Amino acid sequence: KQEVTQIPAALSVPEGENLVLNCSFTDSAIYNLQWFRQDPGKGLTSLLLIQSSQREQTSGRLNASLDKSSGRSTLYIAASQPGDSATYLCAVRRSGANSKLTFGKGITLSVRP
Amino acid sequence: GAGVSQTPSNKVTEKGKYVELRCDPISGHTALYWYRQSLGQGPEFLIYFQGTGAADDSGLPNDRFFAVRPEGSVSTLKIQRTERGDSAVYLCASSMGLDNEQFFGPGTRLTVL
Repeated sequence: KQEVTQIPAALSVPEGENLVLNCSFTDSAIYNLQWFRQDPGKGLTSLLLIQSSQREQTSGRLNASLDKSSGRSTLYIAASQPGDSATYLCAVRRSGANSKLTFGKGITLSVRP
Repeated sequence: GAGVSQTPSNKVTEKGKYVELRCDPISGHTALYWYRQSLGQGPEFLIYFQGTGAADDSGLPNDRFFAVRPEGSVSTLKIQRTERGDSAVYLCASSMGLDNEQFFGPGTRLTVL
């Protein structure tokens, strides 16, 4: 059974800092990995999707990397801003026909002005 | 274009009652997913549809839960004899196909008193 872990559960940083959020998964037979952002009381916003054949994806100040063999992904946020404060979740989709996502519990990020 | 929509946004019911939660996917998306998110947890998979048929319902917790998608678009998640433990945010997602990025709705917050 696939398990996804995100540590730490919460992180507080000063504005302007570059930061890395970690995600690990136990079964390396994945099809893709998605990073999501969730604001309090809201749904999930997809940030980046990395296919299993890719090593990284970039969107603006965000960069996500994937090391499938070691079961790890990182989300790098450059020059953090207070508006980046939210919960960040990673989710993996297993290889094969089943397209359901398995999520971590998320990392709640607070960027202090 | 319009994203995934879910109604109602909030539902409060009493233990033992029946509830229906509705999901309108993005137009043209053939795959539709239901997840459940408890406080402080990541979303957990319930069921997904490819077209009108349930491709995988292995995440439904018991036979009080049922979902339909009769015309391959709108889906309804039905919960019979609700219990306090059913209280959670129910999230719906859709994708163009099983291999594509999943887009989430804002969720329905269900509270069972």
